[in-house]
Amino acid sequence: AQSVAQPEDQVNVAEGNPLTVKCTYSVSGNPYLFWYVQYPNRGLQFLLKYITGDNLVKGSYGFEAEFNKSQTSFHLKKPSALVSDSALYFCAVRDGSDKLIFGTGTRLQVFP
Amino acid sequence: EAGVAQSPRYKIIEKRQSVAFWCNPISGHATLYWYQQILGQGPKLLIQFQNNGVVDDSQLPKDRFSAERLKGVDSTLKIQPAKLEDSAVYLCASSLAGVSTDTQYFGPGTRLTVL
Repeated sequence: AQSVAQPEDQVNVAEGNPLTVKCTYSVSGNPYLFWYVQYPNRGLQFLLKYITGDNLVKGSYGFEAEFNKSQTSFHLKKPSALVSDSALYFCAVRDGSDKLIFGTGTRLQVFP
Repeated sequence: EAGVAQSPRYKIIEKRQSVAFWCNPISGHATLYWYQQILGQGPKLLIQFQNNGVVDDSQLPKDRFSAERLKGVDSTLKIQPAKLEDSAVYLCASSLAGVSTDTQYFGPGTRLTVL
């Protein structure tokens, strides 16, 4: 069965520093990987996805993610964090089935 | 382009009462999803529609939850009777065709509190 893990409940980073939010996955076939962000009292906003091709995927708001097949990881990154990036981030995975499986979320806190 | 619309945004009911949520997907999106997000967890799929047909309802508690998408556009999710453990945010999402590579776009959600 497919699954996704976000090992950190919270990540703290100072504004201007690089940030990384970790995600590892387990699927039986080719993985399709997604990152979403959730602001308070809002729905999930799509950031980026990996389907195939280049392992480095660029998305919205300056975020990018690196697909690593050998480590079964899809970590979210940003070179320079903003206070406004503070939110809840979800990694999700699909294999050949249509069901999207979400991780438990990582709260990102960016301090001024 | 208008996003996924949901109403109401908030609902408070007592246990054993009934409640209904409404969703209007992005125009032209054939696939519609309802998710349940319990506090501190990621969203969990309840039901998936392709046009007006059900594709997956394996995680829908059918003794109390029902959903329909009669004309293949907007959808209603109902809970009857509600239990305390149904307190959650109910998210609606839509995608163009429902294939594995499609992006799902989410609405703002309905926060349900069952007292």
